[in-house]
Amino acid sequence: GNSVTQMEGPVTLSEEAFLTINCTYTATGYPSLFWYVQYPGEGLQLLLKATKADDKGSNKGFEATYRKETTSFHLEKGSVQVSDSAVYFCALPSGGYQKVTFGIGTKLQVIP
Amino acid sequence: KAGVTQTPRYLIKTRGQQVTLSCSPISGHRSVSWYQQTPGQGLQFLFEYFSETQRNKGNFPGRFSGRQFSNSRSEMNVSTLELGDSALYLCASSLEAGGRTEQYFGPGTRLTVT
Repeated sequence: GNSVTQMEGPVTLSEEAFLTINCTYTATGYPSLFWYVQYPGEGLQLLLKATKADDKGSNKGFEATYRKETTSFHLEKGSVQVSDSAVYFCALPSGGYQKVTFGIGTKLQVIP
Repeated sequence: KAGVTQTPRYLIKTRGQQVTLSCSPISGHRSVSWYQQTPGQGLQFLFEYFSETQRNKGNFPGRFSGRQFSNSRSEMNVSTLELGDSALYLCASSLEAGGRTEQYFGPGTRLTVT
């Protein structure tokens, strides 16, 4: 089945630093790809998505490009803020219907 | 629109007991999925329901079960609780679209088994 490999954290950055969180996938065909974010004490919420190769998803200053050549969907942000401190999950559908496989999650801590 | 709601938010149970968790999806969403989140295993898929039918099931023992009602609300049940069942249980709802649509998560139920 489809799977995703995500870099492990934690990642600690200073405010305004550049962020990259790596995510690579193994999939049959070209499924949609997602990044979810989980703030402390909350459930997950969708951050961005891409539905086909070369698509770029973006939201709140975060971006990720669906690259089939490298089977990657890396998350980037040019200037992180303290409020971006959270756990980030890469995800893709697997096994049909709404079954979704999530990466291990990368904890990001941004310090002032 | 109201988001996904889960009750209760926190639960403490003793080994051997059983527990029922509830999830109300976003209005109009017919698919409800359940996940177990633990520090060691991350997010693991439990099962997914659509129109009262279980369509997908993860690799969990039969002690974990669920159901969905005609109004799309869902419950999951864990019988004969074990210490290892302590986790955050997340419910997510989505529109039916073959896996291309995003899931909307509730805040979770934190289950502690002592």
